[in-house]
Amino acid sequence: GENVEQHPSTLSVQEGDSAVIKCTYSDSASNYFPWYKQELGKRPQLIIDIRSNVGEKKDQRIAVTLNKTAKHFSLHITETQPEDSAVYFCAASGRGTGNQFYFGTGTSLTVIP
Amino acid sequence: SAVISQKPSRDICQRGTSLTIQCQVDSQVTMMFWYRQQPGQSLTLIATANQGSEATYESGFVIDKFPISRPNLTFSTLTVSNMSPEDSSIYLCSVRTGGSAGELFFGEGSRLTVL
Repeated sequence: GENVEQHPSTLSVQEGDSAVIKCTYSDSASNYFPWYKQELGKRPQLIIDIRSNVGEKKDQRIAVTLNKTAKHFSLHITETQPEDSAVYFCAASGRGTGNQFYFGTGTSLTVIP
Repeated sequence: SAVISQKPSRDICQRGTSLTIQCQVDSQVTMMFWYRQQPGQSLTLIATANQGSEATYESGFVIDKFPISRPNLTFSTLTVSNMSPEDSSIYLCSVRTGGSAGELFFGEGSRLTVL
């Protein structure tokens, strides 16, 4: 089955700095890689995703990059704000996983004002 | 997207009892999944709820402990049977919209505490 690893587990940045979270996956058949943000006591919310036919995707201050050869993908948040503080999860899905989603272990991001 | 309603939102249960969590979606979806999120942990897939057939369980999860029903394309239930304190967790219903290429959305979750 799919194995998704995520680093770092915790990350603290100063407001305005950038934050980068990295994930690796094991199943080369995975072709869809979403990122979720989970605030305390709330459900995970999809913030950005990327498919295997694309190397990079950007949405305002967040971007995701994918390296299929190395089987890793990363989330980049620029100009961080205190409201970016949350736990972020990466995930992988594809035919090899039966189209199910397998999640990384999560990164707790703290943005210090 | 999809609107996913779960109930109960939270409950406190006694050891040895069972609790059924309901998940209702506002549209027909083929793929529906149940996840568990233990305190401070990631999302672990319990099973895929299949309409009209038995659920497909992940390694470490069994039907006797987590029976699942999926009577139609908008509704599913997860039962946590013979509960122990180790079952204290948040249980999340999720659906994949748009078929096998679609996005995954989560319900609000059901927070169970087992005493």
